[in-house]
Amino acid sequence: DGGITQSPKYLFRKEGQNVTLSCEQNLNHDAMYWYRQDPGQGLRLIYYSQIVNDFQKGDIAEGYSVSREKKESFPLTVTSAQKNPTAFYLCASSDRRQGTEAFFGQGTRLTVV
Amino acid sequence: AQSVTQPDIHITVSEGASLELRCNYSYGATPYLFWYVQSPGQGLQLLLKYFSGDTLVQGIKGFEAEFKRSQSSFNLRKPSVHWSDAAEYFCAVKTSYDKVIFGPGTSLSVIP
Repeated sequence: DGGITQSPKYLFRKEGQNVTLSCEQNLNHDAMYWYRQDPGQGLRLIYYSQIVNDFQKGDIAEGYSVSREKKESFPLTVTSAQKNPTAFYLCASSDRRQGTEAFFGQGTRLTVV
Repeated sequence: AQSVTQPDIHITVSEGASLELRCNYSYGATPYLFWYVQSPGQGLQLLLKYFSGDTLVQGIKGFEAEFKRSQSSFNLRKPSVHWSDAAEYFCAVKTSYDKVIFGPGTSLSVIP
């Protein structure tokens, strides 16, 4: 079955450690996205990538980094510079044809203690 | 800059009553508009989308939405709400360069 896989579902880290969230898709989509979701704040765009080896900052990129070395993978690293990393993180992908929607993974809940 | 607003943070309706969730967008070119629904702790599911053509679009679960260019709106409607519709609803716009921006969401509660 085609889809987007985020792993792990729950992740715990100590403050000051970098952590990488995995996102893999087998939908053959060119575009991929990372969003952060906090209670009552909706989805805020962290980074997005339209094509392999290229990505753009979203609205809240500070303290995060990404890579796009393969079409099917778009890992997100939450660095120690991110002041409030505890959140629900959602990955999505989309075809680049006009009007096509984004498909979402099930999310990773990151808790930093 | 592109943006999406959803004026209602939380709405409560009685089961069987009609529903309208509001969405306004700001984008200079032709927008691609979407409504998604999210259950707690889950990813997002697409309800419907507007790309071009008929401004009234039908979606899954009995939802529909109307695109009004003059009002920069894309409101979601359902004639009769079911208890299972209780969830978070998000409106989104996709730009011509693939950026997808979401509104803050509207939380829907349904009273039996």
